[in-house]
Amino acid sequence: GQQVMQIPQYQHVQEGEDFTTYCNSSTTLSNIQWYKQRPGGHPVFLIQLVKSGEVKKQKRLTFQFGEAKKNSSLHITATQTTDVGTYFCAGWWYGNKLVFGAGTILRVKS
Amino acid sequence: EPEVTQTPSHQVTQMGQEVILRCVPISNHLYFYWYRQILGQKVEFLVSFYNNEISEKSEIFDDQFSVERPDGSNFTLKIRSTKLEDSAMYFCASSVVNMRRSPLHFGNGTRLTVT
Repeated sequence: GQQVMQIPQYQHVQEGEDFTTYCNSSTTLSNIQWYKQRPGGHPVFLIQLVKSGEVKKQKRLTFQFGEAKKNSSLHITATQTTDVGTYFCAGWWYGNKLVFGAGTILRVKS
Repeated sequence: EPEVTQTPSHQVTQMGQEVILRCVPISNHLYFYWYRQILGQKVEFLVSFYNNEISEKSEIFDDQFSVERPDGSNFTLKIRSTKLEDSAMYFCASSVVNMRRSPLHFGNGTRLTVT
């Protein structure tokens, strides 16, 4: 079935360190979206990647979509305490169903 | 900025009771969704709705669940006879167009507790 695997499940970093979360699908995706959920909050859209090999940046966040459109990553440079939360990738193949990965919980020690 | 609004924020119900969760999507959005998140776990797709009918549903969305858009603004999720395992945060979401081009905008959620 349609699913995206996301690792790691949990990462605890020192403020200023980098952070990366990875997503993988066994089948080719049409697009992949990334969301952030703060503790106690709701998922908030960060970005959508559509093209093979696409790389997009938002300040300290870098998003990549693999050449085969089966994997994606989110990298945060020099984490800050405001980065804490759960980062989800969400894959879309076709139709009206966006499938979320399990999420990576990021904790930042100051 | 326009928001998806959900009511109530917290609903406590007894097993076997019916509950209706309410959502007001963003006004110019055409696609509507329900997702649920059991505490600390992944965000699970339940159903998508477009043009007054269900476009897709997951295996979770069985005969106990139904959705409705009773008027031009509300979008509801009904659980006919709640079970303990229905306890979760339920998120409504909407999008302008389909997922090919448009992200989902989520509401703040309704925490459903079944006792």
